Amino acid sequence: GQNIDQPTEMTATEGAIVQINCTYQTSGFNGLFWYQQHAGEAPTFLSYNVLDGLEEKGRFSSFLSRSKGYSYLLLKELQMKDSASYLCAVADSNYQLIWGAGTKLIIKP
Amino acid sequence: GAVVSQHPSRVICKSGTSVKIECRSLDFQATTMFWYRQFPKQSLMLMATSNEGSKATYEQGVEKDKFLINHASLTLSTLTVTSAHPEDSSFYICSARDHRRGDTGELFFGEGSRLTVL
Repeated sequence: GQNIDQPTEMTATEGAIVQINCTYQTSGFNGLFWYQQHAGEAPTFLSYNVLDGLEEKGRFSSFLSRSKGYSYLLLKELQMKDSASYLCAVADSNYQLIWGAGTKLIIKP
Repeated sequence: GAVVSQHPSRVICKSGTSVKIECRSLDFQATTMFWYRQFPKQSLMLMATSNEGSKATYEQGVEKDKFLINHASLTLSTLTVTSAHPEDSSFYICSARDHRRGDTGELFFGEGSRLTVL
């Protein structure tokens, strides 16, 4: 079956760095996405990885290892507004997105 | 950028009534739109894939007669929750792909519609 695993909840301190991991097992692979979702709102796109390696975009970076079925989202210089759920999703062989359950990130002052 | 607009953002209705939710792609043509449902503290659950000019493809366990999907044009898809009951109360979100950006699978989401059935 198809499966996306990510931690349910993480806590970090304002100004610090946090890494959210995602492992996946899917039928085919056409890229991995990270979305941010604030409570009561729709998800917003953060990053897309289809090749191995690190993609950096401002305070956020995303890493992919296809051989390990593994990705992480790295958030630097955490701000209170970064408190949200972070969803990992993989596009399978049909380009259908398989969603993880999301990681709720709590930022403390 | 690609913009998807969803309406209404909030709706409260009585049990047994029907509710229609609209999803529009404002600056691109979406041959495919997706409808998701999200319960509190849970991830997105794909309900159906809406294809312009043809019948929607429903995920297993989703009642076709209860959740009517119409994708009559390249910029509009509608979801009608028929004979709504309290257990249908949820956050419904639509999304679409902008194929101008290549078939990367990236989705653009509407704002979501929170349905509360009394």
